[in-house]
Parts: sequence; C-alpha cells; structure tokens
Amino acid sequence: DAGITQSPRHKVTETGTPVTLRCHQTENHRYMYWYRQDPGHGLRLIHYSYGVKDTDKGEVSDGYSVSRSKTEDFLLTLESATSSQTSVYFCAISGRLAASYEQYFGPGTRLTVT
Amino acid sequence: GDSVTQMEGPVTLSEEAFLTINCTYTATGYPSLFWYVQYPGEGLQLLLKATKADDKGSNKGFEATYRKETTSFHLEKGSVQVSDSAVYFCALTGTASKLTFGTGTRLQVTL
Repeated sequence: DAGITQSPRHKVTETGTPVTLRCHQTENHRYMYWYRQDPGHGLRLIHYSYGVKDTDKGEVSDGYSVSRSKTEDFLLTLESATSSQTSVYFCAISGRLAASYEQYFGPGTRLTVT
Repeated sequence: GDSVTQMEGPVTLSEEAFLTINCTYTATGYPSLFWYVQYPGEGLQLLLKATKADDKGSNKGFEATYRKETTSFHLEKGSVQVSDSAVYFCALTGTASKLTFGTGTRLQVTL
C-alpha cells in the first residue's frame, strides 16, 4: 500500500469555524489531490498540487484553499465551514506526469459540520 | 468536458453469479480508463486499468476491455464472492492526470 495518511480521520465542527485537514505521504510523489465524496456524485476534485507551492483548482474549489510547503504534506483548509461541506474527504497521490498512471488514495477524513 | 456514466446500483447477486457493471465515457483525445473499488470504511483501491483502445485490464478475476468504438469500459467477473461486496467506481484521466469518476455502483453479494 502507498504510504498515505490523513488526519484527523473524523471531525465534527460548527458552522463558521475554520478547519484544516492534513494529507501526508512517504512516497515522494509529485502530484497530490484532494477529493470529496458525496452520495450520488462519486468523487469530485477540489484542488490538486503538481509540486511544492504549485497548486490549482478542481471542479468544486469554492470555499476551500490548499497549501503545499513540503513534498510530503498537502493541507486542505475550509476557511469558514458550512453544512454543505459535510462530506468524506480523500487525499490521493500520483508520481507520474502522464495521464495513464494511477492515483493512490488515503483512508479518508469524515467531516461533519453542524 | 470529460464525464463517466455508470449503471445505477445497488446490484445484488448470489455468490458465484456473473457480474457486469456498465460504464460509458465521454472524453476528448485518448483517455486512460480505470476501475477502483471501495470497501466499507476504506479509501479507494485501484482494481484495474487500460491505457489504449482494445486493452484488457484484469485483476483478482475482474476484467474490463477498453472499447473506443462504443466508448465503454464494462467491468465483469465470472463468479462473484461475498468478499467482492463493495462500491465500484469507473474513472478516466484526461488532462494533468486529473481523474473524473462515475457516481459508483454498490455491489452486494449474498450466500
């Protein structure tokens, strides 16, 4: 299994509070991704990174920001959490530039915003 | 933009039955195609992949063939087991190694 951990694994927070989720990898892979999983939608890309300090938006980036100051860590921040951001969040990594190479996923973080 | 359409679930089968989960896609160019599996409470695991037309991906008894003419990548298994119960996601990669997922198909296998 690829060395990917996510923290916390579960979090309950109140509307309007800031939340930061962490993804840590030990594979020295270049690409890192944040997805959210919701019933009826599959997984949707929030943001991704193609190197240290290099990030870009995915299809559902509103309300989220990311940072990558080290190869191994990719942080996802909800500046002011809303109930619509209740979801399961997955981090993924990929070591390859070519689109044919697969992504490896972390175990997920279940976030509930009350 | 790119999109993936999977058959609606849940799919309920008896053990040793034949499985087919349909997947069709829309994409520009020549995407790579994937099937991922998610067991309860876990992240997604790559099940199989195909990178060009007519390629067949296979793993753990599962197979899927990249059909460019019908833009399909249907997942099949000849004899399912209870341990195959999971959610299966079809996906493709387009630009910048970004995955586009289908909505997932839940498979329940009973004794």
